[in-house]
Amino acid sequence: DSGVTQTPKHLITATGQRVTLRCSPRSGDLSVYWYQQSLDQGLQFLIQYYNGEERAKGNILERFSAQQFPDLHSELNLSSLELGDSALYFCASSPRRGGELFFGEGSRLTVL
Amino acid sequence: KNEVEQSPQNLTAQEGEFITINCSYSVGISALHWLQQHPGGGIVSLFMLSSGKKKHGRLIATINIQEKHSSLHITASHPRDSAVYICAVRFGGSQGNLIFGKGTKLSVKP
Repeated sequence: DSGVTQTPKHLITATGQRVTLRCSPRSGDLSVYWYQQSLDQGLQFLIQYYNGEERAKGNILERFSAQQFPDLHSELNLSSLELGDSALYFCASSPRRGGELFFGEGSRLTVL
Repeated sequence: KNEVEQSPQNLTAQEGEFITINCSYSVGISALHWLQQHPGGGIVSLFMLSSGKKKHGRLIATINIQEKHSSLHITASHPRDSAVYICAVRFGGSQGNLIFGKGTKLSVKP
């Protein structure tokens, strides 16, 4: 158990819909990272938050947004969903000064 | 273009064999991660390296900065080692801003 919690584990929805994925980092970790793993693109970095502020952006679509709340949990919002958004979405956290990443179990999104 | 290449893509081994998975990258990096992903999908971080060598149990990771190459070794392989092993590198900036290799699927037969 990494200590990083993601919900929901599975989500099935339709094109055009909007979903929210939630991540609770390990206790004490200020950084949260979001990654997407799809069959054709593999793993890609989406976005990082540190103590509530956006720190780095990767290949995140404009239809996607994220935020980190005062209690340090983070949410990834995916809107106007397309079939190609079907993927595993991982959250990871890391200690303030450490480099190791701790991954959640992932949220599997299926868009029909 | 920052690229990460892993080899082999697929690897089948007999229990007890010594296994090596390779990772090459195109430009200088600030850190390299080895990750393990089991069939259920969860990802576990095995190592983070910026130089030299690290060992944890039967796993050994090495990195050669000059040659832009890293290897993950598994000694006395076991069927429970069957998983996808992913190399990921950080070229600078945020520690989570990683470029991932496509992974090596390892199957260890009893």
